[in-house]
Amino acid sequence: QKEVEQDPGPLSVPEGAIVSLNCTYSNSAFQYFMWYRQYSRKGPELLMYTYSSGNKEDGRFTAQVDKSSKYISLFIRDSQPSDSATYLCALENQGGKLIFGQGTELSVKP
Amino acid sequence: DAGVIQSPRHEVTEMGQEVTLRCKPISGHDYLFWYRQTMMRGLELLIYFNNNVPIDDSGMPEDRFSAKMPNASFSTLKIQPSEPRDSAVYFCASSRPGGYQPQHFGDGTRLSIL
Repeated sequence: QKEVEQDPGPLSVPEGAIVSLNCTYSNSAFQYFMWYRQYSRKGPELLMYTYSSGNKEDGRFTAQVDKSSKYISLFIRDSQPSDSATYLCALENQGGKLIFGQGTELSVKP
Repeated sequence: DAGVIQSPRHEVTEMGQEVTLRCKPISGHDYLFWYRQTMMRGLELLIYFNNNVPIDDSGMPEDRFSAKMPNASFSTLKIQPSEPRDSAVYFCASSRPGGYQPQHFGDGTRLSIL
């Protein structure tokens, strides 16, 4: 079993839709939970990170962590074509190493 | 501010050849990471350095892979001899020390081994 599981998609939604992206993990020792966005032929860029269970909001983006269920989510409100990218969840263990999910490819159609 | 700079952006070479990938981290970042990304395995950490010293190389797939960081502003990842299964996108990332610090990625080197 992989330490971090993420549905690779692809996911296609109409502009303005609410997008929900999810990851599950198996190791309760993970301390930091991140979402990276990767545009085609570019490196991943950090979108959001959180340390504890609960919600964290930044504009149209909300990151949610449920440590009891080992489940993390990213919600995108009012999705835009410019949000089309691959979204990777990443979890940091106690050794400071990032373990990435497979990434979910998102396409927002105008 | 200049981001993480990787070169070359693309490399196509024949099996058996030596490949050298280069990375210049962001100034002031003490940590440097090398990752490999493939469709099958996603993004995997190969090795990381702290203050130019290799800390964890457990992700390096085999002895054909080696990495060095001779100074704070330069690192190389070398594959010798290269094989077709090494074809992937290789990313370098750097981060500051202390607490939680995000990793900043370069735009990668797209490597094709024929």
